[in-house]
Amino acid sequence: DIQMTQSPASLSASLGETVTIQCRASEDIYSGLAWYQQKPGKSPQLLIYGASSLQDGVPSRFSGSGSGTQYSLKISSMQTEDEGVYFCQQGLKYPPTFGGGTKLELK
Amino acid sequence: EVQLVESGGGLVQPGRSLKLSCAASGFTFSDYNMAWVRQAPKKGLEWVATITYDGSSTYYRDSVKGRFTISRDNAKSTLYLQLDSLRSEDTATYYCAREGPTVTTFFDCWGQGVMVTVSS
Repeated sequence: DIQMTQSPASLSASLGETVTIQCRASEDIYSGLAWYQQKPGKSPQLLIYGASSLQDGVPSRFSGSGSGTQYSLKISSMQTEDEGVYFCQQGLKYPPTFGGGTKLELK
Repeated sequence: EVQLVESGGGLVQPGRSLKLSCAASGFTFSDYNMAWVRQAPKKGLEWVATITYDGSSTYYRDSVKGRFTISRDNAKSTLYLQLDSLRSEDTATYYCAREGPTVTTFFDCWGQGVMVTVSS
């Protein structure tokens, strides 16, 4: 199985701050990467797919980049509603696998 | 509005069975591959199974192969997951998810989740 490693495990950011979350795959996943946001007690919501394509309805302050084994999610200006846990997921090969999550809090 | 509504969860003893359902609305159900993804308490996300749009193919994670069965009824726009020989490690919130319409697998719509607790 392809292993997905996220970093950091947690971080806190101030309003308006730029936030970057990293995700590393154990092998080349050819941009087959998605990012999700999960708020407490809620189901995950898709933010980014194909490494850099923004899902409909997702604010433009979210962006994804990367290639090969290294990917990142950037929030250009931290907002209150961005608090939550963020997961990356590879979808190139079965089984689809998720990173361990990054907990983002407002400082 | 796209909606996925799960039901059928609950408390069950080890070795027993449970059947989850997911009612879909707001989109043409028969056009999409569908999946179940689970999340153990305070843990990360774990893909469980996928069924193709027409039900012709199914895929499972190794730890549930032979115990869980994914199925669908396109006439009823409903996805199912039969859970047999349940173990304590199957305790989790189970999410029904729609797979996005691309070659690579991602999940563009999720249900609210249903809790399955396996305990004596």
